[in-house]
Amino acid sequence: SAVISQKPSRDICQRGTSLTIQCQVDSQVTMMFWYRQQPGQSLTLIATANQGSEATYESGFVIDKFPISRPNLTFSTLTVSNMSPEDSSIYLCSVAGTPDGNQPQHFGDGTRLSIL
Amino acid sequence: SQQGEEDPQALSIQEGENATMNCSYKTSINNLQWYRQNSGRGLVHLILIRSNEREKHSGRLRVTLDTSKKSSSLLITASRAADTASYFCATDGGTALIFGKGTTLSVSS
Repeated sequence: SAVISQKPSRDICQRGTSLTIQCQVDSQVTMMFWYRQQPGQSLTLIATANQGSEATYESGFVIDKFPISRPNLTFSTLTVSNMSPEDSSIYLCSVAGTPDGNQPQHFGDGTRLSIL
Repeated sequence: SQQGEEDPQALSIQEGENATMNCSYKTSINNLQWYRQNSGRGLVHLILIRSNEREKHSGRLRVTLDTSKKSSSLLITASRAADTASYFCATDGGTALIFGKGTTLSVSS
């Protein structure tokens, strides 16, 4: 299974600033995903990061707020822009196992973000 | 949108007891996965069960799937304090996963 490294593991940020989260995979993967987990809640998909094209965002998430880059098949970044306390969450990246979906998705350890 | 709904939301048991968590979902699936999350960290994959499978085992874990009832259960036998965590079921929403709300399991020694 893929090994996923996510940085930073946690951060405390000031309101109005932006933070970029990095996700590195030890093998080439077609699909990478970014999820948000608000305090005490489950995971919600933010977007699918596509290599060589724009990310596909879920309802309620927009590119201006959560710009995503996917420069190659092993790396992606998620930026949380103009942060407010409501953005305090754990952000997780994951990779799809196989295109048929019958291999498990694996997750990074997440980035715990607190906004003051 | 969330597809899986876990039941119960919270479960407290003693070490050595069995823990059963249930998950219901709404639409047809290719597979269903169970994950564990310790103290707000990343998710650890436990078991994937395909839609044509009815039961799967992995160590002390047993997962069942009933596609006619659109439900799954996760059984942890002989629980340990280290099993204390949140458990989530997730169904394939095409390519990305759709997660349930999770069950918080507390195992006391």
